Formats: sequence, C-alpha cells, structure tokens
Amino acid sequence: GAVVSQHPSRVICKSGTSVKIECRSLDFQATTMFWYRQFPKKSLMLMATSNEGSKATYEQGVEKDKFLINHASLTLSTLTVTSAHPEDSSFYICSANLVSFGTQYFGPGTRLLVL
Amino acid sequence: GESVGLHLPTLSVQEGDNSIINCAYSNSASDYFIWYKQESGKGPQFIIDIRSNMDKRQGQRVTVLLNKTVKHLSLQIAATQPGDSAVYFCAENMGTSGTYKYIFGTGTRLKVLA
Repeated sequence: GAVVSQHPSRVICKSGTSVKIECRSLDFQATTMFWYRQFPKKSLMLMATSNEGSKATYEQGVEKDKFLINHASLTLSTLTVTSAHPEDSSFYICSANLVSFGTQYFGPGTRLLVL
Repeated sequence: GESVGLHLPTLSVQEGDNSIINCAYSNSASDYFIWYKQESGKGPQFIIDIRSNMDKRQGQRVTVLLNKTVKHLSLQIAATQPGDSAVYFCAENMGTSGTYKYIFGTGTRLKVLA
C-alpha cells in the first residue's frame, strides 16, 4: 500500500513551453500532497503544499505563477512549470501523506530537461 | 531558522560491517522523524520512523536512535550490503504546525565496499 506515482518520469521540452507533471496516490486518498525540487547531489527542497480543493501553499522564494499546482481530487495533484527555462531543469518529486499527520510517501520523481 | 542538518559526507563501509549515519536537527518542537533512502534517479524510500516519545526503534537490519537532549538522530544499518548503497536523508516534522510538512537534511551518501 501507500504507492505514489508520477507521470511522466522524464520530459524534455523547449524553452518557453509549459510542462505538466502528474502525481497520483494509487491506493489511498491524500488530502495533502507535497512538491519538491532536487538538484544533483542536493537535498529535497519543498516547493509547495498542495491541498485538495484549495489553493496550494508555496514556500518562500517559489513563484506561484511559475509553478502552478492543482489538486483537483483526493488522488491527483498536478504541477505545471510554465514558460520553462533551462534553469528550471531539475528533478521534481511529489509526496503524499497516508493520514493527515504521518509518514510521507514519495513518488519516483520526474526529471525535467529544458533546452 | 529551523533546519535539519547534515554536513554532506560520504560514508564508506566494508560489506558486512555496520553503518552509522548521523543527523542533527535544530527544532526542539519536532516530534516525528523519518529516515529515507534515495537511490540514483529515484524518489526517496521510507526506511524507518520514530516519534519523539521514543528514543529507539528497530526495524529489519535498521535501528533509529533519537537523543532529544542534544537534538540528534542516527540510523544504524547492520551487516551493510551492496544494496544499501544510496543517499540517506533524515526528515523532521513538526506536527503541531498544522501543515505536516517535512524538513529534510542535506543527506549522506553511503558507499558499500566489496
């Protein structure tokens, strides 16, 4: 149980285009999901907390208009990188809590390369 | 500010030996901690957790120790195997914050030598 999936696993796009990444909790409902960004050989940096049915809460320094988050259902959150630039290239990982307070389970990550 | 810190080291351990990975946290209000393992190109994988009302918890080949006095967390891996090679992160959660978000340490790379 507690499986989280992400799609796509890898994406290459041209500068200026938008990319959508999906995060799904496969066998449980997640009222809260989280989006992280990870640079090579670095730790996970929390970008935002995604709440089902409400606006996401962004961490300081994360542009909400750049990284659009939608949590339309209890099993799906999406992250859209708008007008992507090469500096947006990174490993994006989502996670979900099995219960409101508890263990956080991670997706396999999405590697984004912006040319 | 609040932080879970690890000076990112690389720990090299001989296969079969025990590994000890350390983590210091700065938020004394944190009450839940998790160790994650991350292999290259993959998402973090849950290893073991511990709540602040405990000082030790054991799993299969892994033990987590929590010392709240000095705000220190450690992960012990017994009989380290090649498959244990990965980056290990500690994460703290301050549940009382209401957001249930986690703060991650910088990570330790474990290399298992054959």
